[in-house]
Amino acid sequence: NAGVTQTPKFQVLKTGQSMTLQCAQDMNHEYMSWYRQDPGMGLRLIHYSVGAGITDQGEVPNGYNVSRSTTEDFPLRLLSAAPSQTSVYFCASMIREHNQPQHFGDGTRLSIL
Amino acid sequence: RKEVEQDPGPFNVPEGATVAFNCTYSNSASQSFFWYRQDCRKEPKLLMSVYSSGNEDGRFTAQLNRASQYISLLIRDSKLSDSATYLCVVNRGKLIFGQGTTLQVKP
Repeated sequence: NAGVTQTPKFQVLKTGQSMTLQCAQDMNHEYMSWYRQDPGMGLRLIHYSVGAGITDQGEVPNGYNVSRSTTEDFPLRLLSAAPSQTSVYFCASMIREHNQPQHFGDGTRLSIL
Repeated sequence: RKEVEQDPGPFNVPEGATVAFNCTYSNSASQSFFWYRQDCRKEPKLLMSVYSSGNEDGRFTAQLNRASQYISLLIRDSKLSDSATYLCVVNRGKLIFGQGTTLQVKP
């Protein structure tokens, strides 16, 4: 049981490049989400999904796309990377019942030059 | 104004001290509440859920006041290992995090 797996752990991109951050969970959790964390800002919700085929925007969705074709996978796509997207990205999953905790991946440290 | 607000601190306390963190949330539709702990930009980990009746887990006590939309965390007998950032989290169908409160416990 691996929990939540994020890849890659580190990535450097040039401005304008695109890439996909991968997130997979093996706990059959309905809810999955992506956050970014910047110094002094806490975790900000980018996109989330309450089940396969359903996605919705969080607090800071611009510049990011997601899809949820399976329960297990929730990739985050940067369409055209910008320096403002330099951040630490966390993926998380949880059961949708009240008071259930989120399980986080280890994070992806992304730098845009 | 952020939907979930916390005093970022830092709170610098000596070992053995009692320290309290507060959090306010603005959306009255919020359904459940949590405190998470985060060490050195590692992934956040659940510390405890927060219930209206108040709940305790060892040296940690969490309280929720729905009328005032206010959540608190009390840490008694602080240990050096309690040094971390404490994140207030609100679930209203999606989970919203506060910016976190940094605690530094000193010998």
